[in-house]
Amino acid sequence: EAQVTQNPRYLITVTGKKLTVTCSQNMNHEYMSWYRQDPGLGLRQIYYSMNVEVTDKGDVPEGYKVSRKEKRNFPLILESPSPNQTSLYFCASSRTGWSEKLFFGSGTQLSVL
Amino acid sequence: KNEVEQSPQNLTAQEGEFITINCSYSVGISALHWLQQHPGGGIVSLFMLSSGKKKHGRLIATINIQEKHSSLHITASHPRDSAVYICAALPANRDDKIIFGKGTRLHILP
Repeated sequence: EAQVTQNPRYLITVTGKKLTVTCSQNMNHEYMSWYRQDPGLGLRQIYYSMNVEVTDKGDVPEGYKVSRKEKRNFPLILESPSPNQTSLYFCASSRTGWSEKLFFGSGTQLSVL
Repeated sequence: KNEVEQSPQNLTAQEGEFITINCSYSVGISALHWLQQHPGGGIVSLFMLSSGKKKHGRLIATINIQEKHSSLHITASHPRDSAVYICAALPANRDDKIIFGKGTRLHILP
């Protein structure tokens, strides 16, 4: 089944403790991206990747890192999480970019205490 | 500032009604997506539009590039259509970032 797998589904952590949210797709998509969703602010793009080893900043990249060493995986790294990074995070992929159908992961609810 | 505005913010309707959700944007765009988010959080892409009109089942999406406006229509609405519908635009200027609308919360009563 074609899917984007995001883990974990829920995560509670403390300020400053490094964490990684994983994202994997099995559709051989070139484009992958990360978003955060906050009440009143809606969805905002954090980072995106057009292909392996190619990443670029979205609207709100501060405090986040990404890597794209393999086509299928696009982890989101928070080196030193802070409470303002408490949010619902989504990973998405598409065949070549934003001008094609997007497939979303099921989301990660992150709480930073 | 690049913006996407959706209307209405909230909509409650009876089952069977014809639903229209509107999306207006302030800049030239390359593509526009309509997304659906059900309670519980998962997001599904309904349509990607760069021109014209698309139809999938009871859902129809249109875009008027000149007027910077898109609409999502639901015919014969059903309670399972209850969700938040989000419009998102990719600006034509490659230096600009994707802009999301705040969403329209739709509630269909049985």
